Amino acid sequence: SQQGEEDPQALSIQEGENATMNCSYKTSINNLQWYRQNSGRGLVHLILIRSNEREKHSGRLRVTLDTSKKSSSLLITASRAADTASYFCATVDAQAGTALIFGKGTTLSVSS
Amino acid sequence: GAGVSQSPRYKVAKRGQDVALRCDPISGHVSLFWYQQALGQGPEFLTYFQNEAQLDKSGLPSDRFFAERPEGSVSTLKIQRTQQEDSAVYLCASSLRRGGNTGELFFGEGSRLTVL
Repeated sequence: SQQGEEDPQALSIQEGENATMNCSYKTSINNLQWYRQNSGRGLVHLILIRSNEREKHSGRLRVTLDTSKKSSSLLITASRAADTASYFCATVDAQAGTALIFGKGTTLSVSS
Repeated sequence: GAGVSQSPRYKVAKRGQDVALRCDPISGHVSLFWYQQALGQGPEFLTYFQNEAQLDKSGLPSDRFFAERPEGSVSTLKIQRTQQEDSAVYLCASSLRRGGNTGELFFGEGSRLTVL
């Protein structure tokens, strides 16, 4: 089963544009994480936002979290061709979970 | 090692064969996870170890799947009598902290299993 659902499933933009991906989840959480996966590779952690935080920045990444709506967004500013990858949100059920549960991901394609 | 290492990277098996996939986590990492990722999908949780103890195996799809981590470091995921629906990438991840709020997971490159 998958806890998170990313939206859109696929996104195509030009270099220099911003990319926004959304994630919805189902249960109460302690934190939410975003990961990136290049084609044929493992996942790489991007950023973690705690349930008591509303916004967090890391370089060109900006993450927001709305626990009342059980949703998060990942914004990549000034995108580059190298940002082409799949992006996943992941959470742990605060009540019962032991493992990160991932969504289906958003596939981002940045063309130069 | 510097990162999580998985082997083999690619495995082709005939239906009915047994396969074993190995994961070498980052030294000192307490938590180890196995995930299964079908093409175009997100990783699906299989099982979780805290040191040598398998604390959660709720994601294992059938009793043909078995995982172990006998000394609390290297882990092996074994699939018996493979079937075509087992074709997927198997990802291993480790974390310094205990499960639940494990913080950042470090993933290996995965083992791609193709069952013919």
